[in-house]
Amino acid sequence: AQSVSQHNHHVILSEAASLELGCNYSYGGTVNLFWYVQYPGQHLQLLLKYFSGDPLVKGIKGFEAEFIKSKFSFNLRKPSVQWSDTAEYFCAVNNNAGNMLTFGGGTRLMVKP
Amino acid sequence: DTGVSQDPRHKITKRGQNVTFRCDPISEHNRLYWYRQTLGQGPEFLTYFQNEAQLEKSRLLSDRFSAERPKGSFSTLEIQRTEQGDSAMYLCASSELNTEAFFGQGTRLTVV
Repeated sequence: AQSVSQHNHHVILSEAASLELGCNYSYGGTVNLFWYVQYPGQHLQLLLKYFSGDPLVKGIKGFEAEFIKSKFSFNLRKPSVQWSDTAEYFCAVNNNAGNMLTFGGGTRLMVKP
Repeated sequence: DTGVSQDPRHKITKRGQNVTFRCDPISEHNRLYWYRQTLGQGPEFLTYFQNEAQLEKSRLLSDRFSAERPKGSFSTLEIQRTEQGDSAMYLCASSELNTEAFFGQGTRLTVV
C-alpha cells in the first residue's frame, strides 16, 4: 500500500524567508506526485505535479519541487515566501492504475508579515 | 464557475439520520472520486467512478456508506444511520484519465 509522510506539521516563517517542505512516499512502482495547497476557506488546488521527465518541476506562484527517486522524496521549495502563501500544503501520490490519491497529513504554513 | 460543485456545503444532522451529498464534476471528466478529510489530516480516499462504473469501493468506511453515479455525470454519496464519528469534510474530485484531480469545496458534515 502507498503511504505519504510530511515531516513538518506546522511551519512559521517570516516574509522573504526560504521554504522547504519535506515529503516522502513509500511505493515500489511508478508513481505520479503532486503538491496541493488549501488556502483558508478554499478548496484544494494543484500547485504542481510530476508524471515523468525532468525531476525538477516548476509550479504556480514560484513553487518548485524536486523528485529524488532514490530517496522516495518530493520536497516542495520556494525561495522567498509571501504572507499570501499562508495555507495548508498537501503532498500526494498515485499510480497510473486508478488515479486515486494518497495524501500526506499536510503542513500548515504561516507566514508572518 | 465550471469547477467541481458540491451540495450542500454544510450539513448538520442528528445521529441515526441518513444524509446524501451531491457532486457535479467538471463536465468532460470521466473519473469522479470521493474523499473524506478530518481535522488535521489529509484527505482519505473512499471510492471512485469511471463514467457510471464504480471501480473501487473497498475503501468505503463501512456498509453504511454508499455512492452512485447513475448516468456517468453527477454522483451522490449517502451515509445511513450517521454516527458522531462520521463528522468530517467530504470532498469530491474529478479528472480525465491519467491527469490531475480537481477538487470541490467539500461538504462539511456535523453529526450531533
